Formats: sequence, structure tokens, C-alpha cells
Amino acid sequence: SQKIEQNSEALNIQEGKTATLTCNYTNYSPAYLQWYRQDPGRGPVFLLLIRENEKEKRKERLKVTFDTTLKQSLFHITASQPADSATYLCAFRAGNNRKLIWGLGTSLAVNP
Amino acid sequence: DTEVTQTPKHLVMGMTNKKSLKCEQHMGHRAMYWYKQKAKKPPELMFVYSYEKLSINESVPSRFSPECPNSSLLNLHLHALQPEDSALYLCASSQLGGGDTQYFGPGTRLTVL
Repeated sequence: SQKIEQNSEALNIQEGKTATLTCNYTNYSPAYLQWYRQDPGRGPVFLLLIRENEKEKRKERLKVTFDTTLKQSLFHITASQPADSATYLCAFRAGNNRKLIWGLGTSLAVNP
Repeated sequence: DTEVTQTPKHLVMGMTNKKSLKCEQHMGHRAMYWYKQKAKKPPELMFVYSYEKLSINESVPSRFSPECPNSSLLNLHLHALQPEDSALYLCASSQLGGGDTQYFGPGTRLTVL
């Protein structure tokens, strides 16, 4: 079955540094891959979607890459701030139904 | 308006109670979802409605009963729940097609005693 793996360990970085989160997938070739942010006790918030024919997508301090050969997406937050501390989830839709396959998420802590 | 609203924010219920969770969106999305989320886990899909019709039921126990009265509203009726059903219940909506970017509500924190 389709599977997504994200860094299971929490990521701690210093304010101002670039955070890089990894999403690896197996047994499928998604046409799109999405990244969400989730704060404790709240619903996920959509951040970025990248298509298989796009190598890179940017939005303000966020950058996502998509390497279909490596079956990997990287999510970067540049000039990180303590307010960026959250869990980041990647997901893709497998097949023609409406179901998203989710990674377990990576918890990011940005220390002042 | 990119907001999905959910009520109530918190709900405590006994195992014999009947309650309902409500969700509303005004983005014109024709797909709506119910998810259940436990701590440190990703959202777990329960139901999907497309054009107000149930299109996916992820083998959810019958004590959870979804309803989509119209294209903006989604309800989840709860009856005879178990303590292990305690979780964050999330509603989401999306346009149909493309990557199905989903817009989530803030969730209802449900505790079953």
C-alpha cells in the first residue's frame, strides 16, 4: 500500500536558521504532494501544493521541492522564527478517490 | 472566505448520550470530510461526501452517523460511543479535482466518559 515517511524525530533548530523537513513516499507516484502545518489541538492548515512536473515551489519563507526520482519532497523554512514551531505534515492523494495519504508529521521547535 | 467552522469546540458525553457535531463552509466546495485524530497521529479519514452524497466510508462503526443536509453543512451524529472514541474530530472541505487541497476546521475535542 502507499506509504509516506517523515522524520519521526522532533527537529530543534535555532531562530534564524533554515529548517528542512523530509517526506519520502513509496509504492506510488503522486501527481501532487501537499504540506500542512498543525498546531496542538487545532486543525491542519494547508501551506503548499507541488505538482509532479514542478521541481520547486515557494511562498514567502517557505520552499518545497519534489524529486520524483528519489520519491522525496523537502520542505524548507528559511529565517525560522519561534512562531514556526508546530507539526508539519505531508500528504498526497492516491488514486481517483478523495482520500489523502498522510505522513506522521515532524514536530519542529524553533528556539529563540 | 476560506474558513471552515465547527461546533462545539469541546464536548463531553456519556456512553449512552446522543450528540451531534456540526461543520459549515461557504467556499463553494463540493467535497466535505470527517476525520478523527488521536494525539501524535495524523488525521484518520472517516467519511467523505461529494456533491452531498456519501462517497467514502472508511469502515466506521455505526455509532457514528454522518449527514450532509446541503452543500455547506456537514453533521456527525454520535450515539453510544466508547471511551476510546475520545479524540479531536476534524471537518474539512475541498474543491473537486486537482490535488484536493483540504481546508480544515478548528476541530471538536470529544471526551467520552
